[in-house]
Amino acid sequence: AQKVTQAQTEISVVEKEDVTLDCVYETRDTTYYLFWYKQPPSGELVFLIRRNSFDEQNEISGRYSWNFQKSTSSFNFTITASQVVDSAVYFCALSAGAGGTSYGKLTFGQGTILTVHP
Amino acid sequence: KAGVTQTPRYLIKTRGQQVTLSCSPISGHRSVSWYQQTPGQGLQFLFEYFSETQRNKGNFPGRFSGRQFSNSRSEMNVSTLELGDSALYLCASSLDGGPGLGTQHFGDGTRLSIL
Repeated sequence: AQKVTQAQTEISVVEKEDVTLDCVYETRDTTYYLFWYKQPPSGELVFLIRRNSFDEQNEISGRYSWNFQKSTSSFNFTITASQVVDSAVYFCALSAGAGGTSYGKLTFGQGTILTVHP
Repeated sequence: KAGVTQTPRYLIKTRGQQVTLSCSPISGHRSVSWYQQTPGQGLQFLFEYFSETQRNKGNFPGRFSGRQFSNSRSEMNVSTLELGDSALYLCASSLDGGPGLGTQHFGDGTRLSIL
């Protein structure tokens, strides 16, 4: 079985602060994929990043960066110089397994509510 | 390229009724997954369809069902509605639903309220 834990329920920062959202995952599969999604108040889940278990390279995209560490089963997400528009709920998700029980299924963490104050 | 389209955006029903939600995937995507999002349980996987066949199913009662048409559009049906079915229902599409071959893209969701 897969499990994703986002221990931080809510985070509140002031604009321009850096913020890191934590994600810890559990799976017995050696091949798996990790995702981050952003959910603004409108409800749509916006895809941010997808990483596979064989690629531990950290990734940077503008103000966003991701730190994937298999040794600690973590896939943390950092926003540098946060902005008010970053306020949203952020979800970490896992896709793992082979065959029927994995098709089309993402296992999500509980989400972290990020509020960026001006 | 049009995104995932879900209709309707909002629905209000009463207990005991049934409801049908619709999802049109991104053009070329053949896999459609459905999720239920509630404050208490978070995002939970309902089921996935590919080529008009249900390939995977989450832990939901039989009142929740779905289908997929030849053009990959999908519908989800909930019968005998209960108060606990109030939720945001999200649809996601991907090329083939396999973990390594695509990323799921989500629609805006249908917010279902049961009175």
